[in-house]
Amino acid sequence: KNEVEQSPQNLTAQEGEFITINCSYSVGISALHWLQQHPGGGIVSLFMLSSGKKKHGRLIATINIQEKHSSLHITASHPRDSAVYICAVRFSGGSNYKLTFGKGTLLTVNP
Amino acid sequence: NAGVTQTPKFRILKIGQSMTLQCAQDMNHNYMYWYRQDPGMGLKLIYYSVGAGITDKGEVPNGYNVSRSTTEDFPLRLELAAPSQTSVYFCASSDNPLDPQFFGPGTRLTVL
Repeated sequence: KNEVEQSPQNLTAQEGEFITINCSYSVGISALHWLQQHPGGGIVSLFMLSSGKKKHGRLIATINIQEKHSSLHITASHPRDSAVYICAVRFSGGSNYKLTFGKGTLLTVNP
Repeated sequence: NAGVTQTPKFRILKIGQSMTLQCAQDMNHNYMYWYRQDPGMGLKLIYYSVGAGITDKGEVPNGYNVSRSTTEDFPLRLELAAPSQTSVYFCASSDNPLDPQFFGPGTRLTVL
């Protein structure tokens, strides 16, 4: 069964801490997405990866294809980073249109 | 650009009622998607469209219908609302299926 698992489910940090959120998947993929869902509900795409590493501001996303694992890192975390972070993958050999989503990681950054 | 817009933001329906959730995008994207998000679960694809006049079922299509008469609009129809359809519904669009998707703000639907 094609599955996406995220860990941890919930994460509480103090402002300034380095954050890591993990995503693992069961079979080969053609692409992996990281998304952010704000407390108000809106969803924003942060990264799309098929290999290596991408960086945008304080956010870094990495993927290890052999280990079927991706991490999202946040450096110098801030209360405005508080959100649900969602991993989604497009499995190889499946429909190009279908993304399989993880359940999300709820991040709370306290001042 | 407004991006992806959805109306209404909130709606309460009685069992058996019908309604249409509206979705529009102004980015000239060919690909549009409807998802539902249930508490503690990942988003699930209901229907998608690859262009005007072309739609197909996703993972959880039962109880829903869609149409795509223009590039901009992709409405989702619930014909006989059931409590199991209580959820938050997101519409999204992309330029091509391999690109990141742009999401609308969501519609929170409760069926009582």
